Amino acid sequence: DVKVTQSSRYLVKRTGEKVFLECVQDMDHENMFWYRQDPGLGLRLIYFSYDVKMKEKGDIPEGYSVSREKKERFSLILESASTNQTSMYLCASSTGGAYTGELFFGEGSRLTVL
Amino acid sequence: AQKITQTQPGMFVQEKEAVTLDCTYDTSDPSYGLFWYKQPSSGEMIFLIYQGSYDQQNATEGRYSLNFQKARKSANLVISASQLGDSAMYFCAMRGSTQGGSEKLVFGKGTKLTVNP
Repeated sequence: DVKVTQSSRYLVKRTGEKVFLECVQDMDHENMFWYRQDPGLGLRLIYFSYDVKMKEKGDIPEGYSVSREKKERFSLILESASTNQTSMYLCASSTGGAYTGELFFGEGSRLTVL
Repeated sequence: AQKITQTQPGMFVQEKEAVTLDCTYDTSDPSYGLFWYKQPSSGEMIFLIYQGSYDQQNATEGRYSLNFQKARKSANLVISASQLGDSAMYFCAMRGSTQGGSEKLVFGKGTKLTVNP
C-alpha cells in the first residue's frame, strides 16, 4: 500500500516556539505538498516541492518554511509559532510530470498553539 | 487563477437515497482536471473520482459519478444509494498552477454530508 506518514497526529506548542512537522512518503514521488485545513476555508497550499532541495511558495507561505533534503521527506517549519497557526496540517505527494493523478495524503497533524 | 466553489456547507440525505454535491469551477486553462475527495471524521483524505476536461464521458467509480457540464463549468458529485459510512466532508478540487508554473490542486471549501438512517 502506498503511504504518506506524518510524524505527529496531535501537537500542542506555545507561542514563539519553533515547530517541525515531518512527512515521509514511500512511493518515490517527485512532488510533495503541505496544505493547511481550516473550517470553512477548505485546504490551502502552503508550500510545494517538486524535487530534492527545490521548493515553491503556495498561496499562504507567510510564517512557514520547508526543507526537502531527501526525496522521501518533506518538513514544514514554523520558525516562531503563533496562535493563528493553530490548524490541521496535511501533507501530500504525487507523481511528477503532466499531472493527472491523485494526491496521496497523510493522516494530518493537528497543531494547537497556546 | 483557478477557483473552485462549493455552495453547500452542509447536506442531509436519507440512507439509500441519492445525493448530489455541487461544484463549480473557474479556469482559463484549456486543459484541466477535476477531482473529488472524501474526508471522514478520522481526518484522512480519500480520493474518489477524477474527470479530465477532454474526457467525452462522465467519470464513474462504483456508487460515485461525476456530472460534468463543461459549458456550465460544473462538476457535481452524485452518490447513489447513500450509506451511513458516506457521512463525511467532501472536497472538490481542480488541477491548477503554482506561481512557478508547476502543478497543484486547488480545493473548494467543502460540503459536509450527513446520511440519516
